[in-house]
Amino acid sequence: GAGVSQSPSNKVTEKGKDVELRCDPISGHTALYWYRQSLGQGLEFLIYFQGNSAPDKSGLPSDRFSAERTGGSVSTLTIQRTQQEDSAVYLCASSFDNPGNTIYFGEGSWLTVV
Amino acid sequence: GENVEQHPSTLSVQEGDSAVIKCTYSDSASNYFPWYKQELGKRPQLIIDIRSNVGEKKDQRIAVTLNKTAKHFSLHITETQPEDSAVYFCAAKWGAQKLVFGQGTRLTINP
Repeated sequence: GAGVSQSPSNKVTEKGKDVELRCDPISGHTALYWYRQSLGQGLEFLIYFQGNSAPDKSGLPSDRFSAERTGGSVSTLTIQRTQQEDSAVYLCASSFDNPGNTIYFGEGSWLTVV
Repeated sequence: GENVEQHPSTLSVQEGDSAVIKCTYSDSASNYFPWYKQELGKRPQLIIDIRSNVGEKKDQRIAVTLNKTAKHFSLHITETQPEDSAVYFCAAKWGAQKLVFGQGTRLTINP
């Protein structure tokens, strides 16, 4: 596609429910990243995919968070038993795999846990 | 672990003046240093980047300098305009291409 596409753009969920956030990277991009940004804060690294494997998942905040990528393309970030502190914008980004290639961000999925 | 420090956290300048934002990084293996601009409610967008084999890069009113020995890099915006008001993030990349961001600088251009 023309850019990194994320869905849903906005999600309001009740505390304790599970949510799935989807990212469709730019066509041909083998590297895919998930970041979290709380209101007015910086970009917190969550997980990085190279193809379908995740060499770095060090940023996942707890075992309630998981992510997968299939077919080297679409990725899903799942948050189980959501808590109010999970409220944030979840940003996906992608790039070609060579060092120094530009990383492009999607518009983000705004998650509100009530 | 990897760390990127960014200063200042807020910066206010008069329209037409220059703005400088500075970042330091911890891992000497870092080889790619992008800068992103994020307007309110929007996605971060790349404005300029520099690779470790050069010391300076310029694109119109924006320039970035890199000092590998000191492990710091800076963003320079000249002739600032109101539309330059935004949050700016520096970042560094190393190892398995994990991009780590600084804390951000909220730049305000006063007319």
